[in-house]
Amino acid sequence: GQQVMQIPQYQHVQEGEDFTTYCNSSTTLSNIQWYKQRPGGHPVFLIQLVKSGEVKKQKRLTFQFGEAKKNSSLHITATQTTDVGTYFCAGLASNTGKLIFGQGTTLQVKP
Amino acid sequence: GAVVSQHPSWVICKSGTSVKIECRSLDFQATTMFWYRQFPKQSLMLMATSNEGSKATYEQGVEKDKFLINHASLTLSTLTVTSAHPEDSSFYICSASSGAPGLAGGDTQYFGPGTRLTVL
Repeated sequence: GQQVMQIPQYQHVQEGEDFTTYCNSSTTLSNIQWYKQRPGGHPVFLIQLVKSGEVKKQKRLTFQFGEAKKNSSLHITATQTTDVGTYFCAGLASNTGKLIFGQGTTLQVKP
Repeated sequence: GAVVSQHPSWVICKSGTSVKIECRSLDFQATTMFWYRQFPKQSLMLMATSNEGSKATYEQGVEKDKFLINHASLTLSTLTVTSAHPEDSSFYICSASSGAPGLAGGDTQYFGPGTRLTVL
């Protein structure tokens, strides 16, 4: 079946360092969405990318959608302790309309 | 806008009992609601998709007789875990979208806060 692979599973960084998480889909996606889940909380929608090669920025976060609409990345510049949490990508499968979640990348930031 | 609530936020029950979880879209009409399950430190696994007024579509491996889903209105969906057992203990999260699934470009899903179920 359709899968979305996300790496790395865990990342520990020093505050101020950059962080990147990557997603790869086995099939072409209609769009890709990114969510952040704080410990004990629920996923919170961050952004949606629709167009091939699209790049969007939210302050220190940069999101990219690959040209083939099969991969995506989230890059955080100069991490802060408030960035701690698990970041999930979720690809919208064009044929089913279902969101397929990646395994998530848990970010720990050392002050 | 786009707020989804879930009730209860946590529940502890005895093995063999049934538990009902409600998911409500508070400020929009949700044509489609999704139910996910999340085990500790794992990703969200889609259990079923429900459209208002029709039967839910269950993912492979999810027992429809055990996890009863009702989407009676455009703002309410319920998940009932029947004859719960300890292995059903998990974090259950619903999401809601206002657009039709399958459209190019898709639609954002807004997640509820989740319900933590513990079956003793």
